[in-house]
Amino acid sequence: DSGVTQTPKHLITATGQRVTLRCSPRSGDLSVYWYQQSLDQGLQFLIQYYNGEERAKGNILERFSAQQFPDLHSELNLSSLELGDSALYFCASSEGLAGGSEQFFGPGTRLTVL
Amino acid sequence: AQSVAQPEDQVNVAEGNPLTVKCTYSVSGNPYLFWYVQYPNRGLQFLLKYITGDNLVKGSYGFEAEFNKSQTSFHLKKPSALVSDSALYFCAVRDRGNTPLVFGKGTRLSVIA
Repeated sequence: DSGVTQTPKHLITATGQRVTLRCSPRSGDLSVYWYQQSLDQGLQFLIQYYNGEERAKGNILERFSAQQFPDLHSELNLSSLELGDSALYFCASSEGLAGGSEQFFGPGTRLTVL
Repeated sequence: AQSVAQPEDQVNVAEGNPLTVKCTYSVSGNPYLFWYVQYPNRGLQFLLKYITGDNLVKGSYGFEAEFNKSQTSFHLKKPSALVSDSALYFCAVRDRGNTPLVFGKGTRLSVIA
C-alpha cells in the first residue's frame, strides 16, 4: 500500500458528461501528480500541483482541469467526455519538488466512457 | 526534451534464470532514473532509482540496475527470477530541473515456471 488513495475505483459514464476524480496524497507529501494510462499512449503526465499551486503541465486537454486543496487532496475534473478519454487515471505524490524524489502511486481510477 | 526507450515489449525468462529489462534514455545533463513495476489492476510501485554516485543501484525485491552514462542506459536486473516477478516494468527519467517524469512504454516480463 503506497499510502495514496484514489476514489472512485471505477467510473462508467456517457459521452459529453463530466466527472471528478479524487486523490489523497501520502501523509506529508506536498506534490501531487496526475497521469493518464491508455493502451495506445502509455503513461502520460497530465499535471502537477505543489502545496496548492500548479507547478507543471503536460499533455492535459483543455477539457480537463485539476486543483489541489488546502488539505492537499487533489481533484481532476474531466468534462465533455469522449470515447477516447477512457483510460486509467493515476494520482501520485512525492515529498517535495526535488527531482530525485520517487513518486508514490495510487491504485488508479478506471474511467469508461460509453 | 527527455525521452526513454524500452526496446522490448515483452521479455520471457525461466524461473531461476537471471533477467534483464532494458532501458535507454535521452536527457540534457545528468539524469534522475527510476524503475517502477505495475501488477495487474494496481498502481505503479517504486523499485529503485539512480540519483548520483555508485552506478549499481540496489532496490526492492532483489532487483538492481546499472547506470551506464556512456551508453545512456539503465537496465534492470535480477540474478534469479521468480514467477511472482511477472508484471509490467516501467523505466522513467527526468532531468535536474523540475521537469515532469517521462516514462517508457513499459516491458511486460513473464517468468515461466
